[in-house]
Amino acid sequence: DAKTTQPPSMDCAEGRAANLPCNHSTISGNEYVYWYRQIHSQGPQYIIHGLKNNETNEMASLIITEDRKSSTLILPHATLRDTAVYYCIVRVAGNQGGKLIFGQGTELSVKP
Amino acid sequence: DGGITQSPKYLFRKEGQNVTLSCEQNLNHDAMYWYRQDPGQGLRLIYYSQIVNDFQKGDIAEGYSVSREKKESFPLTVTSAQKNPTAFYLCASSTTAGGRSPLHFGNGTRLTVT
Repeated sequence: DAKTTQPPSMDCAEGRAANLPCNHSTISGNEYVYWYRQIHSQGPQYIIHGLKNNETNEMASLIITEDRKSSTLILPHATLRDTAVYYCIVRVAGNQGGKLIFGQGTELSVKP
Repeated sequence: DGGITQSPKYLFRKEGQNVTLSCEQNLNHDAMYWYRQDPGQGLRLIYYSQIVNDFQKGDIAEGYSVSREKKESFPLTVTSAQKNPTAFYLCASSTTAGGRSPLHFGNGTRLTVT
């Protein structure tokens, strides 16, 4: 299973875009990139996922490089409520039973 | 509201006792999962079920047991054989077990065994 590498922490000013990087240099062709976030003592919240193409939804945008070895999660207008630990995960496309491999994540602090 | 309900939020038990954690979903999802999270760590898969009456061991199944008699329910029993049961337990579900289906998580049960 591919592993991911993320910076341990980042700061972002409220109202600005938060760009969270992730390296997944050993990703396989059939592995999706997923992003979740977790606020202390709560379950992880699904944000977005993608395979090859860039994706956007109401929460965020996901930019995947052409070689798929890295990606960036973009929160376009960060608010204080976006303060959380953000996890970048790769997951095989087939029926592998939900084996998400969570790393240490990036602790994002949004400051006023 | 559709979602995943885990109960109770906090659970305390004495060492040597079995304890069952509840997980219910009304999302009509086929697949359900149990994860364990220790302080400052990522999630580790305990058991998963792709369909009713079927379940598979994850990476750390020893000392745990599950059942899947109904689509909406996937209870986890932490047995006395689990050496370090104190942890944050998370239940999740997805439409299918395939990688295209996002997992949706409950808000967890924090188990403390003394």
